[in-house]
Amino acid sequence: DTAVSQTPKYLVTQMGNDKSIKCEQNLGHDTMYWYKQDSKKFLKIMFSYNNKELIINETVPNRFSPKSPDKAHLNLHINSLELGDSAVYFCASSQEWGKGAYGYTFGSGTRLTVV
Amino acid sequence: DQQVKQNSPSLSVQEGRISILNCDYTNSMFDYFLWYKKYPAEGPTFLISISSIKDKNEDGRFTVFLNKSAKHLSLHIVPSQPGDSAVYFCAASVAQTGANNLFFGTGTRLTVIP
Repeated sequence: DTAVSQTPKYLVTQMGNDKSIKCEQNLGHDTMYWYKQDSKKFLKIMFSYNNKELIINETVPNRFSPKSPDKAHLNLHINSLELGDSAVYFCASSQEWGKGAYGYTFGSGTRLTVV
Repeated sequence: DQQVKQNSPSLSVQEGRISILNCDYTNSMFDYFLWYKKYPAEGPTFLISISSIKDKNEDGRFTVFLNKSAKHLSLHIVPSQPGDSAVYFCAASVAQTGANNLFFGTGTRLTVIP
């Protein structure tokens, strides 16, 4: 029974398209995150949500928008995809705000390729 | 600006020997450090952590050492096993502020040779 699941695992799409990546956690965690791993293998936070409230929004283009219908889900919508958006996107969750540093649980990642 | 750095992209070690993975950081506000392990096509999994009030934390074969003055931490795996072959990420956070933002290094690929 997967703790943090992301779909799809692979996504190939053309420039200019709009796409979504879904994430669900069944751990009862309070906070969920999206991380991006670029071509240099650098993992960088994009967003985090606590109780459906955006807590952190790093310098991410507004073409990226997180959507959290409930505490167990945090989806990532990307509009007008660009070549530079190609990366692996990881969803993660943690137990309590302020205790996230004590261990995230990551999903297996979504490899997005923009052609 | 990369605040957490792992300068060795890869490391090969014989089975049974010690593996030492290194990590440096630049932000003196970091007070909590973690190591994650990642297998191909999987997400990173939490391995071990250390608070800045300690200089060592041990969990079975894994030990993390923290040198605050040098802004350096290391992960020791003894003895190394083939199943330890993976990419290891170092991460840091300013936990005392309640911030959950983890800053990651770029990882070190460990290969344990049977």
